[in-house]
Amino acid sequence: GQNIDQPTEMTATEGAIVQINCTYQTSGFNGLFWYQQHAGEAPTFLSYNVLDGLEEKGRFSSFLSRSKGYSYLLLKELQMKDSASYLCAVRDRAGANNLFFGTGTRLTVIP
Amino acid sequence: NAGVTQTPKFQVLKTGQSMTLQCAQDMNHEYMSWYRQDPGMGLRLIHYSVGAGITDQGEVPNGYNVSRSTTEDFPLRLLSAAPSQTSVYFCASSYGRAGNTIYFGEGSWLTVV
Repeated sequence: GQNIDQPTEMTATEGAIVQINCTYQTSGFNGLFWYQQHAGEAPTFLSYNVLDGLEEKGRFSSFLSRSKGYSYLLLKELQMKDSASYLCAVRDRAGANNLFFGTGTRLTVIP
Repeated sequence: NAGVTQTPKFQVLKTGQSMTLQCAQDMNHEYMSWYRQDPGMGLRLIHYSVGAGITDQGEVPNGYNVSRSTTEDFPLRLLSAAPSQTSVYFCASSYGRAGNTIYFGEGSWLTVV
C-alpha cells in the first residue's frame, strides 16, 4: 500500500518561517506535489518535485530526497492568509496523473 | 481553479437514491479524475480517465460509475447512495498523463441520509 505521513497540525507566528514535513512509502515514485487548501475550498497547486533538491517559488520552497522518502514545504514571511491545510501528494507512476495524498497539515498562523 | 466546473455544489440524498455529479473542463485536458475527501483522511482516488473512451478504477471505486464520452466531461454516478458516501467530491484534470499541474474543481458536498 501507499503510506504518506505529515503532521496533523502546526502553529506559527506571523512573519516567521515554518517547515512542514512529509514522509512517504509508495510502490513507485514519479513526483511529489504540495497543495494548499483553505477550509471549504479546493486544493490549489503550490509546488512539484521529481528530482532531489530544492525548488523555490517566492515565499514557498519545497525540498525532496528520494533516497529518504522525504519532502518538506518551507513557508517564509508567514502571513495570516497562509492559515490553511497543506497537502502532500505522491504520484506513484508515469502514464496517469493519479495522486496519493497524506491527511494534510493544518497550519494556523497567529499574530 | 479556472476551467474545471463541478455541479452541484451541495446535494442531500436519501439512502438508495441515485445521482450524477457533473465535471467539465474547457482546457482540452486528456486526464480527468474524481477524488473524495473525508475528515481525518487524505483525498482518495475513486476513478480516473486518461482520455475519451478510457476509464479505470482508483483506490475506492465501489459504489461509483464513470464514463468519458467526450474530452470535456467526466460525470460520476452514484447508483444507490449510502451514508458512507457522504463526503466532499473533487474532480481534477491535467494536460497529458504526467502533467505537473493538476487542476481541481471547487468541490461537491454530498450528504446521504
